[in-house]
Amino acid sequence: QVQLQESGPGLVKPSETLSLTCTVSGYSISSGYYWVWIRQPPGKGLECIGSISHSGTTYYNPSFKSRVTISADTSKNQFSLRLSSVTPADTAVYYCTRHPPGATFDYWGQGTLVTVSS
Amino acid sequence: EIVLTQSPGTLSLSPGERATLSCRASQSVSSSYLAWYQQKPGQAPRLLIYGASSRATGIPDRFSCGGSGTDFTLTISRLEPEDFAVYYCQQFDGSPWTFGQGTKVEIK
Repeated sequence: QVQLQESGPGLVKPSETLSLTCTVSGYSISSGYYWVWIRQPPGKGLECIGSISHSGTTYYNPSFKSRVTISADTSKNQFSLRLSSVTPADTAVYYCTRHPPGATFDYWGQGTLVTVSS
Repeated sequence: EIVLTQSPGTLSLSPGERATLSCRASQSVSSSYLAWYQQKPGQAPRLLIYGASSRATGIPDRFSCGGSGTDFTLTISRLEPEDFAVYYCQQFDGSPWTFGQGTKVEIK
């Protein structure tokens, strides 16, 4: 059974960097698929932040491109998100998920709320 | 960026009724790259249907989808109590992958 679990600080100060990690079990991230970060501001819809492929190729949503970095640690079967220069508008539930070829987000973490506030 | 617009914003129906949700794309999307999700409060979205008509594991056949080009629909043939939730369409035909803003199906 594939499982994803987000972890990281729940509170980040404005102008600082948000850092989250997704730990994957039941599937090796280096075996295939895209590994994706998505966020959902409170009461709002879903927004793709970016992805990293099993071979390490990254894609970032242009809305975030200058602020975001996604990386992977295959030895730990984890991938990570860093979002710099955060503002209160970055307050959201952050989800990690995977994207199989020809399909789409089939397994999700439970999400983690990150609040940007001083 | 492909913008997906869902309608209506809220659908008020009774259990047993049929629900039809709409998703309109700002440019043509292959039906093979259109998906629908269900989200309940406090939970992650759950994949329902992807591709032209592939239901995800465990999704009952009362959920079906249709459409092509820029207009797509999700149909729930007979609403069960557990179907009252928010539904999102999503495209993975163009980058970035995008979602609609959601349709809430509420109990009338």
